[in-house]
Amino acid sequence: DTAVSQTPKYLVTQMGNDKSIKCEQNLGHDTMYWYKQDSKKFLKIMFSYNNKELIINETVPNRFSPKSPDKAHLNLHINSLELGDSAVYFCASSQGFGGPDIQYFGAGTRLSVL
Amino acid sequence: GQNIDQPTEMTATEGAIVQINCTYQTSGFNGLFWYQQHAGEAPTFLSYNVLDGLEEKGRFSSFLSRSKGYSYLLLKELQMKDSASYLCAVMDSNYQLIWGAGTKLIIKP
Repeated sequence: DTAVSQTPKYLVTQMGNDKSIKCEQNLGHDTMYWYKQDSKKFLKIMFSYNNKELIINETVPNRFSPKSPDKAHLNLHINSLELGDSAVYFCASSQGFGGPDIQYFGAGTRLSVL
Repeated sequence: GQNIDQPTEMTATEGAIVQINCTYQTSGFNGLFWYQQHAGEAPTFLSYNVLDGLEEKGRFSSFLSRSKGYSYLLLKELQMKDSASYLCAVMDSNYQLIWGAGTKLIIKP
């Protein structure tokens, strides 16, 4: 059973389109995250939700909108895609927030904007 | 600003030992993590240090010196499957993980 699953694994789209990436975790964790990993391989936090409440919202264009319908799901919607949005997006989850909780990652969504 | 430094790439021989260093400057410190990431895959947790000293877990050990802002990951008895990127990440005062760019480890037979 996959602990953190995200779909799709690959996403190729045109500039200006709107797309969504879905993430689900079956670990019973309270906290979920979205990261962006760019071509230089840095992982940068975008958002974090704890029990469906937004707790981290880094400096991310407001074209990116996370939605957490329940604590097991955290989806990412991106409007008006730009070339610079091409990256690998990772979803992760942890037991809680504010402690040394291990983060478990999904397999990533490779987004290519043409 | 916050900064995590690690070598970009290292090469080692199967069966040998390799040490991957990480230095950090962050706003506060709530622990240091090491993750392994195989090409095209998700990062997976390896180790966590919050107190100074060495934590050993099988073939992998991780060391921390908070006063020096320094950690290393030691991999012994290297196997071909250890070829991967190794990511150092520090949890800052806001409990956010600040990530290094990772060290790509190449294992040669």
